[in-house]
Amino acid sequence: DIQLTQSPSFLSASVGDRVTITCRASQDIARFLAWYHLKPGNAPNLLIYAASTLQSGVPSRFSGSGSGTDYTLTISSLQPEDFGIYYCQQLNDYPLTFGGGTRVEIK
Amino acid sequence: EVRLEESGGGLVQPGRSLRLACEGSGFTFENYAMHWVRQVPGKGLEWVAGISWHGHSLGYAKSVKGRFTISRDDAQNSLFLEMNSLRPEDTALYHCAKHMGSQWFGDPTGLDVWGRGTTVNVS
Repeated sequence: DIQLTQSPSFLSASVGDRVTITCRASQDIARFLAWYHLKPGNAPNLLIYAASTLQSGVPSRFSGSGSGTDYTLTISSLQPEDFGIYYCQQLNDYPLTFGGGTRVEIK
Repeated sequence: EVRLEESGGGLVQPGRSLRLACEGSGFTFENYAMHWVRQVPGKGLEWVAGISWHGHSLGYAKSVKGRFTISRDDAQNSLFLEMNSLRPEDTALYHCAKHMGSQWFGDPTGLDVWGRGTTVNVS
């Protein structure tokens, strides 16, 4: 199975800060990577797919990059509604797997 | 409005069975791969099973393979998860999710619509 390691597991940042979350795969996943945002009581929300394509309706402050085994989700200017947990997911190989998550707290 | 709604969760004893259902609306259900993903508090998201747009291709997480069966009824716009030999570690909030593409893996487009989930408690 492909393992996804996210870092950091927790971060606390202020509104307006630039935030970066990384996701490292145990093998090349050919940019078959998605990012999701999960808030308490809500269903996960797709932010980015194919490593860097912004999902329709998602604010442009979110961006994704990477290739091979290393991927990054960036929030250019953190907003109050961005708190929650962020997950990466690989869709390149069976079984599909998620990263362990990054909890984002607003200071 | 594009929507998925799960049902069928509940409290069940270890070793027993449960069948989850998910009804889709607002989109052409038969055109898309579908998935079940579970959420265990404090342990994150775990992909459970996926099914292709015509139902000919299926896949399961190792933790549920041989015990769970995913299926779909496109005439009813519905996805199902038959869960047998349930274990306490299957306790979770179960979401159904729509893939943006027609294949459940090897398609990089992600899961774009999710239901709010149905809770399964095995105890």
